[in-house]
Amino acid sequence: DVQLVESGGGMVRPGGSLRLSCEASGFNFDDYAMHWVRQAPGKGLEWVSGISWDSGNTVYADSVRGRFSVSRDNARNSLYLHMNSLKTEDTAFYFCTKDKTHLVAVATSYFDPWGQGTLVTVAS
Amino acid sequence: DIQMTQSPSSLSASVGDRVTITCRASQSISSYLNWYQQKPGKPPKLLIYITSNLQSGVPSRFSGSGSGTDFTLTITNLQPDDFGTYYCQQSYWTPPYTFGQGTKLEIK
Repeated sequence: DVQLVESGGGMVRPGGSLRLSCEASGFNFDDYAMHWVRQAPGKGLEWVSGISWDSGNTVYADSVRGRFSVSRDNARNSLYLHMNSLKTEDTAFYFCTKDKTHLVAVATSYFDPWGQGTLVTVAS
Repeated sequence: DIQMTQSPSSLSASVGDRVTITCRASQSISSYLNWYQQKPGKPPKLLIYITSNLQSGVPSRFSGSGSGTDFTLTITNLQPDDFGTYYCQQSYWTPPYTFGQGTKLEIK
């Protein structure tokens, strides 16, 4: 079974940093692009960042560009989201999800499956 | 950036009904429109990709159509398990991969 398990969420003060991890299993991790999508409590889905299979291309939402950095370790079947200069509006559940393709920014992308998510709370 | 607008924002329907949710893009996205279902406390689940392709394991009562800027998710013979929030997502003009605001479906 394909499985994605996020970790690393927690409470942090504004301006602080956090690193999220997503451990993948059940598929050839290095064959697929991966993404982070977040959801503020009670709100809709917001795509955050994506990374191609070989880390050669990374893309970000305007709301996090310059503050967040996505990376992956194919040897460890793991995806990461490094979050700096956190703001209260970054409070959300963060999901990792597998792309259909190995590239980012291609039209044939869709996301399946998704992990259960990890909650990040930014508050003073 | 592309804006995705879903309607209605919420609806209530009875078992056996036919339900239609629409998604409109602010400019043409060809056929690159995906639909997800999310239940409370759970991650989203892919239902339909590239307008009309049913994801493996998804019941055939779900279907999708459209092109350009206007798309539809239809659920025929609504079942109790179909409650939840439905999101459309465009993948044509990326980044960002824009989602609609969601449509909350309640079963009467």
